[in-house]
Amino acid sequence: GAGVSQSPSNKVTEKGKDVELRCDPISGHTALYWYRQSLGQGLEFLIYFQGNSAPDKSGLPSDRFSAERTGGSVSTLTIQRTQQEDSAVYLCASTLWTSGSYEQYFGPGTRLTVT
Amino acid sequence: AQSVTQLGSHVSVSEGALVLLRCNYSSSVPPYLFWYVQYPNQGLQLLLKYTTGATLVKGINGFEAEFKKSETSFHLTKPSAHMSDAAEYFCAVSVSDTGRRALTFGSGTRLQVQP
Repeated sequence: GAGVSQSPSNKVTEKGKDVELRCDPISGHTALYWYRQSLGQGLEFLIYFQGNSAPDKSGLPSDRFSAERTGGSVSTLTIQRTQQEDSAVYLCASTLWTSGSYEQYFGPGTRLTVT
Repeated sequence: AQSVTQLGSHVSVSEGALVLLRCNYSSSVPPYLFWYVQYPNQGLQLLLKYTTGATLVKGINGFEAEFKKSETSFHLTKPSAHMSDAAEYFCAVSVSDTGRRALTFGSGTRLQVQP
C-alpha cells in the first residue's frame, strides 16, 4: 500500500483479555517501530525491528507485551492479560534507512480501550 | 540518552499571525531532529527534518525550522497562520549511537488558531 496501515482502528476489550494489534509497513521498509501514545506518558517508544529481528525491546513496559515481525513485513503487537493502564493509542512506524534519510512514516494508530 | 523539551503545551495565535513553537533538545551525539504534526484522530505526519547540512530547513505547509547547535534548539515557525494549522505538534530527536534510531518525542504543543 501507499502508507503504513494498522488494524483494528479501535479495540475495546475487557480487563484480563489478550489483544493483538497489527501493522503493515510501507513495502520495502526494513525498519519498523511501535510507539504508544497516552495522556499520562505522551509518545513513548516500545520496540523496534530491523528485518524480522528485534534488537531493542527496551521500551516494552512489562512482560505482558510482546511483538513479532514475519517476512520482514507485517508486525503484530500482543498484549496479554490487559490492564486499564494499557489503554492508549498504539502507533506503528516504518522507515527505509538510506543515506541521510531517517524519517519514520506513521500509521493512523490503534486506539485500545481496556474496560 | 537524549531528551526533548517543548515549551508551552498550548499556543494560541490569530489567523495570519506568526507561529513559533519552541523545541530544545539534549543529546550527547549529533542529533537528527524532526517536527511532526498530528490532526485529531490521525497519525503523525512529518513536517520537516534536520539531519546534516543546511541548518534552516523548510517543510510542508509553509513551515520551517532552524537548527541552532549553540542553543540546542530546533524551533518551528510559520510566517502566517492558517485555520487549517490547528493541530498538535511534536518535536522529536533521533540519534544513531544505539543503532535503533528510535524517536524520542517532546510532550507536544497544541496550536490553536483564532479567526
